[in-house]
Amino acid sequence: GQQVMQIPQYQHVQEGEDFTTYCNSSTTLSNIQWYKQRPGGHPVFLIQLVKSGEVKKQKRLTFQFGEAKKNSSLHITATQTTDVGTYFCVGRDDKIIFGKGTRLHILP
Amino acid sequence: GAGVSQTPSNKVTEKGKYVELRCDPISGHTALYWYRQSLGQGPEFLIYFQGTGAADDSGLPNDRFFAVRPEGSVSTLKIQRTERGDSAVYLCASSLVSSGANVLTFGAGSRLTVL
Repeated sequence: GQQVMQIPQYQHVQEGEDFTTYCNSSTTLSNIQWYKQRPGGHPVFLIQLVKSGEVKKQKRLTFQFGEAKKNSSLHITATQTTDVGTYFCVGRDDKIIFGKGTRLHILP
Repeated sequence: GAGVSQTPSNKVTEKGKYVELRCDPISGHTALYWYRQSLGQGPEFLIYFQGTGAADDSGLPNDRFFAVRPEGSVSTLKIQRTERGDSAVYLCASSLVSSGANVLTFGAGSRLTVL
């Protein structure tokens, strides 16, 4: 069945450093969504990518969808303490499958 | 309502008891999803409804779990003969339709603790 793998599972960075998380699917996805979950909170939608090779930016966040529509990445430039949380990619195909997420911890 | 509402926010029960968790989706959202999230894990898909019918219930772990959405709005997740392993946060999400283009809006979750 469809599996969405996300790496790394954990990432500790110094405030101001960059951060990247990667999402890989075993099957081609119709689209991919990214969600952020703050500690103690619930997942909140960040962005959706639909087209092959698509790149979208939200301030310091850059999202990419692979050419084969099987992988995606989220890159955060110059992390801030507000970026703390777990970032999930969601493969939207016949099922809505969450990856295990990447937990980002910022060291002051 | 303005957002997805889940009740109760916390439920502590004893092993073997019956539990109901309620989800009130955003008004007009036809698709409703239930997920279960354990500490440090991603949300695990349980079931989703399109209108009143369960379009995909393949994530329900066993026959102790059941969910209904009789009028196509509020949904109830029912767990019979609870076990300690059922302890988790149960998340509900809704979207306008069930197509891949729509965004999931999550509720704050119901934290279930089975003693």
